[in-house]
Amino acid sequence: DGGITQSPKYLFRKEGQNVTLSCEQNLNHDAMYWYRQDPGQGLRLIYYSQIVNDFQKGDIAEGYSVSREKKESFPLTVTSAQKNPTAFYLCASSPLWMNTEAFFGQGTRLTVV
Amino acid sequence: ELKVEQNPLFLSMQEGKNYTIYCNYSTTSDRLYWYRQDPGKSLESLFVLLSNGAVKQEGRLMASLDTKARLSTLHITAAVHDLSATYFCAVAFSGNAGNMLTFGGGTRLMVKP
Repeated sequence: DGGITQSPKYLFRKEGQNVTLSCEQNLNHDAMYWYRQDPGQGLRLIYYSQIVNDFQKGDIAEGYSVSREKKESFPLTVTSAQKNPTAFYLCASSPLWMNTEAFFGQGTRLTVV
Repeated sequence: ELKVEQNPLFLSMQEGKNYTIYCNYSTTSDRLYWYRQDPGKSLESLFVLLSNGAVKQEGRLMASLDTKARLSTLHITAAVHDLSATYFCAVAFSGNAGNMLTFGGGTRLMVKP
């Protein structure tokens, strides 16, 4: 089955640690995205990538880093510089051309302990 | 600044009643999307609206788009309890690559028996 797989589903981070959230897709999509969702709020764009080895900052990139070494994979690292990382993180992918839609993974819930 | 505003933010309604959720956005858009999110879950795509005057219906939900007014509506007809969820509109703004989306804050819908 084609789709987007995020792992882990739940993640706990200690203060000062870096953690990496995985996102893999087998839809052959060129574009991939990371969004953050805080309780009771909409999604905000962290980073996006349209092609391998290239990515762009979204609205709230500070404290996060990404890589795009393979078309299928777009991992997100939450660094210790992100002061309030507790949130629900959603990865999405889409074709590059217009008038198509993005498909979302099941999300990773990150909690700082 | 790109803004997407939904109202109401919270909606409690009785089964069998009708209601409309509104989504206003700040600048020219190519496409508008409606998503449903159940608690703790990812986003489920409901509608993709691609042109002025577009209207789409699925079951008790109907979405429309007025690009001149920069307004989309999601109309609920004869609500049932299963429609209880949070509904998001998201806009792909002209000039943005691919499917980079700006989300509204969401409308939390609670349908009471």
